[in-house]
Amino acid sequence: DAGITQSPRHKVTETGTPVTLRCHQTENHRYMYWYRQDPGHGLRLIHYSYGVKDTDKGEVSDGYSVSRSKTEDFLLTLESATSSQTSVYFCAISEGTSAMYEQYFGPGTRLTVT
Amino acid sequence: KNEVEQSPQNLTAQEGEFITINCSYSVGISALHWLQQHPGGGIVSLFMLSSGKKKHGRLIATINIQEKHSSLHITASHPRDSAVYICAVRSMGGTSYGKLTFGQGTILTVHP
Repeated sequence: DAGITQSPRHKVTETGTPVTLRCHQTENHRYMYWYRQDPGHGLRLIHYSYGVKDTDKGEVSDGYSVSRSKTEDFLLTLESATSSQTSVYFCAISEGTSAMYEQYFGPGTRLTVT
Repeated sequence: KNEVEQSPQNLTAQEGEFITINCSYSVGISALHWLQQHPGGGIVSLFMLSSGKKKHGRLIATINIQEKHSSLHITASHPRDSAVYICAVRSMGGTSYGKLTFGQGTILTVHP
């Protein structure tokens, strides 16, 4: 199994509060991704990183920001959580972007915004 | 219309049955992934393929690039195969970040 951990694994928070989710990898992979998984939508990309301090938006980035100050850590921040951000969040990593590289997924974080 | 469509959305089987899950996509791809997600669990990669057929234990994945279609087969199904199976494609021509587009998943339940 790829060495990917996510913290926290479960979180309940109130609308309007800031929330930060952490993804940590021990594989030294260059690419890191944050996805959210919702019923009826499948997995959707929020943000991704292609190196330290290099990040960009995915398809559902509104309301989220990210940071990557070290190769091993990719943080996802909800500046002011809303109920629509209740979801399961998955981090993934990859050595490269061509078809020969797989993406490996973390265990997920279940976030509930009340 | 989604770029990646899976069928069926839900599938119930008896232990020992042969199972097929289908994935159709509408874009040119460089690779297709089959992923497995157990209830409350993480996501595990089963196969990554760009042509032909791959086999791992009781699982077989096939792809027909011309027809833009892939199938995941499970032989001699077992209750531990109960999970969500997700198809994902990597678009040809690509992006700078290795974009994957995911199907909505097929929920498989295998009864003893």
